[in-house]
Order: sequence, then C-alpha cells, then structure tokens
Amino acid sequence: EPEVTQTPSHQVTQMGQEVILRCVPISNHLYFYWYRQILGQKVEFLVSFYNNEISEKSEIFDDQFSVERPDGSNFTLKIRSTKLEDSAMYFCASSVTSGRAGELFFGEGSRLTVL
Amino acid sequence: GENVEQHPSTLSVQEGDSAVIKCTYSDSASNYFPWYKQELGKRPQLIIDIRSNVGEKKDQRIAVTLNKTAKHFSLHITETQPEDSAVYFCAASDGGSQGNLIFGKGTKLSVKP
Repeated sequence: EPEVTQTPSHQVTQMGQEVILRCVPISNHLYFYWYRQILGQKVEFLVSFYNNEISEKSEIFDDQFSVERPDGSNFTLKIRSTKLEDSAMYFCASSVTSGRAGELFFGEGSRLTVL
Repeated sequence: GENVEQHPSTLSVQEGDSAVIKCTYSDSASNYFPWYKQELGKRPQLIIDIRSNVGEKKDQRIAVTLNKTAKHFSLHITETQPEDSAVYFCAASDGGSQGNLIFGKGTKLSVKP
C-alpha cells in the first residue's frame, strides 16, 4: 500500500539554526499539507500546497516557514531560524482531492527538538 | 475560521463497553468530518469519515453520526477492546477552497481488560 514517507524521523537542532523536513507524498496525490503536533496536544494545520503554490496557511505559518516542491516527488518544509517553541512533531500529508472531499494520508512524522 | 471542540479529553471504559466521543464545529460550510486514531508515537490514521449528505455511517464496531443542524458529530465504538486504546481526533474541513482539516483536541481512550 502506498505511503507518505518523511525524513528525518527525528532531528535535534540548536535555536536559530535552519531546518529542512522532507516528505515524499503518495505519487498520484495532488494536494500536500504540513501539520504540526506539540507533544500531548492536538494536530494543527500549517499549510496546504496545490499546483506548485501555497493554497492556504494558518497563523502559525509565519515568515520563518516556507514550503517547496523542488522536484516531482519531494515536498519540503523549511524553518529558517528555529525557536524553542518550534519543537514538535511535524506531519506531512497528501490527498488525491482537497480535504473537502478526500482522505488525508499522513506520514510517520518528523520529530523536531530545538535546544 | 473553523473551530472544533471535542469532549471528553479522557475516557476510560471496561473492555466490552461502548465509548462515545463528541465534537462540535462552527463553520456551517464544513461538509467533511473524519475521525483519526493515533497510537502513541505514531501517525494519525483515518478510521471513519462522514460527509454532510448522510447522517450516520457504520463500519463494524465503529459508527459516526452527524447532526448538521446542531453542528455536531459523534464517534461510537461498541464492544471495546484493549487495542482500541489510543487518542482519537475528530476533524472538520474548514469550508475554504481547499477544505483543510481542523482538528479537535483529542480524546485519550483507555480500555481496561
């Protein structure tokens, strides 16, 4: 069964450093998402991406964050200058259609620890 | 924007009993309501979903009901088993063009043998 894959599974970084989290969505999916989950809390929407551009973003997704689809398979989340409060599990998800009608498939997540 | 409230935050039941988790949403334009199960340290996995054109959907021991007028939807698990123990999240599409999911805060279900 096809899966969304994410790397790295865990990254530890110093505050102020740049971090890139990588995702390979399911190959025939058209919509891509990043969500984050602070330990013990709910899953929070960050950004959605369709047709090579951001379609929606939340208040959390400020100028420190950016997303890119550098090639036909990868979808990346970059945090330019990490803060302690960026420590969380970051989930990539993809969908054939938009969330209005279709199921989101989540990756296993990338745990980011900012020291 | 969409706001999803979920109750209870924790739920403990005996094996074999039923469990009910309730959610309310604010955006009347929302029309897709999935439920995700998340085991410790794992990804959220879809267990059942309902769209606004139906009021109830069942899949074996799991059922979801939707009341669009009242803007609430519920997850029902019957004959609970220890492996049902997990955190359950409800979600609603936010009514925007992409229908991004807005999640509730989760319910930690513990099923005691």
